[in-house]
Amino acid sequence: AQSVTQLDSQVPVFEEAPVELRCNYSSSVSVYLFWYVQYPNQGLQLLLKYLSGSTLVKGINGFEAEFNKSQTSFHLRKPSVHISDTAEYFCAVGYDKIIFGKGTRLHILP
Amino acid sequence: KAGVTQTPRYLIKTRGQQVTLSCSPISGHRSVSWYQQTPGQGLQFLFEYFSETQRNKGNFPGRFSGRQFSNSRSEMNVSTLELGDSALYLCASSSRDRGVGANVLTFGAGSRLTVL
Repeated sequence: AQSVTQLDSQVPVFEEAPVELRCNYSSSVSVYLFWYVQYPNQGLQLLLKYLSGSTLVKGINGFEAEFNKSQTSFHLRKPSVHISDTAEYFCAVGYDKIIFGKGTRLHILP
Repeated sequence: KAGVTQTPRYLIKTRGQQVTLSCSPISGHRSVSWYQQTPGQGLQFLFEYFSETQRNKGNFPGRFSGRQFSNSRSEMNVSTLELGDSALYLCASSSRDRGVGANVLTFGAGSRLTVL
């Protein structure tokens, strides 16, 4: 069975500051890892994915994530956030059936 | 190309009624997955269909059912609605063929169901 834990339900951060959203997963087999973003009143949009290869994955809107197999983590980072990054972020894991974490709300403070 | 289209976007039902939600995937995508999103539980997997066959199923009661048509459009049905069924129902399509490769999902905007 697979599971995803997003350690923070909400993360406040000042505009132009860096941010890290944490994600830990468990799986008995090799899986794919994803980060999705959900803006208000919208569906989810893929930010980035790790399938294989380089453990540092770059996505859209300046986000990147690092796959750490020994720590079973896939944390999302951005060096400088903007007000437009205000959204809910979901970490997901799976190969066949994709399982999502409960989400982290990113609040950008002016 | 057009994205994933879900209809209706909003609907209100009363307890005991049933509801049918529709999802049109991206052209060429044959896999359709359904999720229920609630504030307390996040996104929970309902089921996945591929070529008109249910390929994966989550842990929901039998009141939740789905189907897929030959044109890959999918519907989900919830019978005997309960208050706890109020949620955003999200549909996602994938180009993944026959269980090979990454199941990269493209989501629709969702159908928001309110049960009174």
